[in-house]
Amino acid sequence: ETGVTQSPTHLIKTRGQQVTLRCSSQSGHNTVSWYQQALGQGPQFIFQYYREEENGRGNFPPRFSGLQFPNYSSELNVNALELDDSALYLCASSWGDSGNTEAFFGQGTRLTVV
Amino acid sequence: AQRVTQPEKLLSVFKGAPVELKCNYSYSGSPELFWYVQYSRQRLQLLLRHISRESIKGFTADLNKGETSFHLKKPFAQEEDSAMYYCALKDTGGFKTIFGAGTRLFVKA
Repeated sequence: ETGVTQSPTHLIKTRGQQVTLRCSSQSGHNTVSWYQQALGQGPQFIFQYYREEENGRGNFPPRFSGLQFPNYSSELNVNALELDDSALYLCASSWGDSGNTEAFFGQGTRLTVV
Repeated sequence: AQRVTQPEKLLSVFKGAPVELKCNYSYSGSPELFWYVQYSRQRLQLLLRHISRESIKGFTADLNKGETSFHLKKPFAQEEDSAMYYCALKDTGGFKTIFGAGTRLFVKA
């Protein structure tokens, strides 16, 4: 059984560019959630995917979008990057969409926008 | 508005002393509450949830709906408890988790 893995671990982008972050969910999990964690803050919920469909979204603009694939891995895409998008991006996988099962987190991708 | 507040950014205690990490929440409904922990150079992981009413690593947390609090307690702190602790609330739909800003616990020898 493998844990949640995210790639890349670090990334530097220029303002206005687009970025794609990747997450492989833990074996047997069909739900992936994405979070943004700014320095000194707790994680903020971006959105959740269950069986390839988005089933919940936080207060993030449409330029934050995602995908979940048939193998339940996921991508987070951010268009038109802004300096404030610099943060640690976390994904977490779990089983089911009820939220009652434990979520397992990846190690995160550190995005720096310059 | 749904909100989780952890009033202390840093809490420093001596080994063997009791520790209490405070968490207050704002939520209209029946929340599901959690404590997550992040040890140095490790990923965020679930410590405990209120519905389980369990004790993990000597930590307990009681949901007080009247005071809208979910404080984390341990009677005798250990050096290995030093970590970042996040209180979190899951909404009724079960898909959105709201985290507090976190409290860094430092247990001194």
